[in-house]
Amino acid sequence: GAVVSQHPSRVICKSGTSVKIECRSLDFQATTMFWYRQFPKQSLMLMATSNEGSKATYEQGVEKDKFLINHASLTLSTLTVTSAHPEDSSFYICSARSRFRANQETQYFGPGTRLLVL
Amino acid sequence: QQQVKQSPQSLIVQKGGISIINCAYENTAFDYFPWYQQFPGKGPALLIAIRPDVSEKKEGRFTISFNKSAKQFSLHIMDSQPGDSATYFCAASMSGYALNFGKGTSLLVTP
Repeated sequence: GAVVSQHPSRVICKSGTSVKIECRSLDFQATTMFWYRQFPKQSLMLMATSNEGSKATYEQGVEKDKFLINHASLTLSTLTVTSAHPEDSSFYICSARSRFRANQETQYFGPGTRLLVL
Repeated sequence: QQQVKQSPQSLIVQKGGISIINCAYENTAFDYFPWYQQFPGKGPALLIAIRPDVSEKKEGRFTISFNKSAKQFSLHIMDSQPGDSATYFCAASMSGYALNFGKGTSLLVTP
């Protein structure tokens, strides 16, 4: 149990275009979802936290107009990178947590999405 | 500001040996301490987690030791195998809040 999927797994786009990444909790209801980015050989950097039905909370330094997050349902959150540029190229990972599960603090991570902006 | 400090940055262990990774934290409000394993190109996978009311937790070959007074916790991998070669992240959080990750340890287990 506790499976989180991401789609797409890999995306290549041209500079200036927008890219949408989906994060789904497949077998549980995710009351909270998190978005991270990870550069090669570095740790995970939290971008934003989203609770179902409310606006995302962005970490300091993360542009909320550039990285649009929508948590429209208890099983789906989306991250849209608007007007992507080469410096946005990274590994984007989502995670989900549920207050309905026995261990409410456990975060389950998706497999990640590799974004390459040319 | 790094809230969780992890060491070593990299580690080489022979097959069958014990791998030990250490983490330290400052915020005494943290009450949840998980360890994650990540293979290249994959998302992190939860290995084992502990709360501060216990000093040790064991699951198979993986053990967390927790020292509340020293604000330190460590991961021990017994009988390390080449398949354990991966990057390991410690993390800490307060209830209901996001995880604070360490910088990671790259583990290589040689045959």
